Amino acid sequence: AQTVTQSQPEMSVQEAETVTLSCTYDTSESNYYLFWYKQPPSRQMILVIRQEAYKQQNATENRFSVNFQKAAKSFSLKISDSQLGDTAMYFCAFMKQPQGGSEKLVFGKGTKLTVNP
Amino acid sequence: DSGVTQTPKHLITATGQRVTLRCSPRSGDLSVYWYQQSLDQGLQFLIQYYNGEERAKGNILERFSAQQFPDLHSELNLSSLELGDSALYFCASSPSSLNTEAFFGQGTRLTVV
Repeated sequence: AQTVTQSQPEMSVQEAETVTLSCTYDTSESNYYLFWYKQPPSRQMILVIRQEAYKQQNATENRFSVNFQKAAKSFSLKISDSQLGDTAMYFCAFMKQPQGGSEKLVFGKGTKLTVNP
Repeated sequence: DSGVTQTPKHLITATGQRVTLRCSPRSGDLSVYWYQQSLDQGLQFLIQYYNGEERAKGNILERFSAQQFPDLHSELNLSSLELGDSALYFCASSPSSLNTEAFFGQGTRLTVV
């Protein structure tokens, strides 16, 4: 079974600075997807960024980027120029490569990020 | 706004009761997923429907059931409720059976007293 571990229950950062959230996972699969979701106080789950395991290039979405280390099974999220609106719970998630159907998302426990003014 | 609508937003009920949570997926999305978020278990996948048929099953209790109707909305039925069922229940939808484009609703907060 796949597991996702987020070792930082809480983090804080000053506005405009950079912060990195850690995520490690365990799997025997070679093809899979990794995700970072953001859950602000509104409770909405928002997809931040997605990485396909077969792609060596790290995914980037504006101020959000990942450091994907497949051999180390590590998938960290870097937030640059942090903004107050980035305050939220961040969840790392894993999904096996779908084969003829769909696969469930396996989530980590989350990291609570606070951006301070 | 993700386009996924869940009702009700909040629900308080007593132990032993039965409730129904409703989800309307984004227009055109065929797949609906249900997740449970609790403090001790985190986010757990419950079940997925695709175009009216059950496609995948996760950690869903026998007291829980779901269905997807011809208009593609879905309902999650929770019966014989226990205190431990108190959680946030999310619905997500995607255009196909592949999960990589799933969009989440705002969830239903269920409190069992």
